[in-house]
Amino acid sequence: GNSVTQMEGPVTLSEEAFLTINCTYTATGYPSLFWYVQYPGEGLQLLLKATKADDKGSNKGFEATYRKETTSFHLEKGSVQVSDSAVYFCALGSGYSTLTFGKGTMLLVSP
Amino acid sequence: DTGVSQNPRHKITKRGQNVTFRCDPISEHNRLYWYRQTLGQGPEFLTYFQNEAQLEKSRLLSDRFSAERPKGSFSTLEIQRTEQGDSAMYLCASSLVLRTRGSEAFFGQGTRLTVV
Repeated sequence: GNSVTQMEGPVTLSEEAFLTINCTYTATGYPSLFWYVQYPGEGLQLLLKATKADDKGSNKGFEATYRKETTSFHLEKGSVQVSDSAVYFCALGSGYSTLTFGKGTMLLVSP
Repeated sequence: DTGVSQNPRHKITKRGQNVTFRCDPISEHNRLYWYRQTLGQGPEFLTYFQNEAQLEKSRLLSDRFSAERPKGSFSTLEIQRTEQGDSAMYLCASSLVLRTRGSEAFFGQGTRLTVV
């Protein structure tokens, strides 16, 4: 079956530091890959997505590249801000079907 | 468009009681999903509807759980004879899926259930 593994948090960084949150997956077929973000007290929001191998998703300075050979979709940002503090979820889905999520990684950014 | 709306936001109930949650999807979306999220875990799929038809149910959805989507608009999730293990955040999401294209899922803020 499908599964997603994320690095455990919390990830604690100073403002303007470089961010990487690792995500690897197991899936049958060719799933789409997603990063969702959950800010404190809010619902899940789609941050970025990639639908096929070698696609790069990007939004708000965050990027992730769909690597089929390493079954990975690592999230990166060159310079984090305090406002990026949130829980980040990696997820996969086949077609437009249901999503399989990782456990989430909390990011804490200090000034 | 106000996005996906869930009510109530919080619910505290005694063990053994029945509870019902409501989800109002984005109006033009034809798919509606329910997920459950426990502390420290990612959301886990429970069930989804295409219009008014319930197309898939997870094995997590025991016979104490029932979901409906009458007329293909809002949906309700009912839990009968609640147990402490049912304490979780219940998330609703919706999307538009057509034969040749679709959208990603948009999530509501969730209903947090506490069974005491």
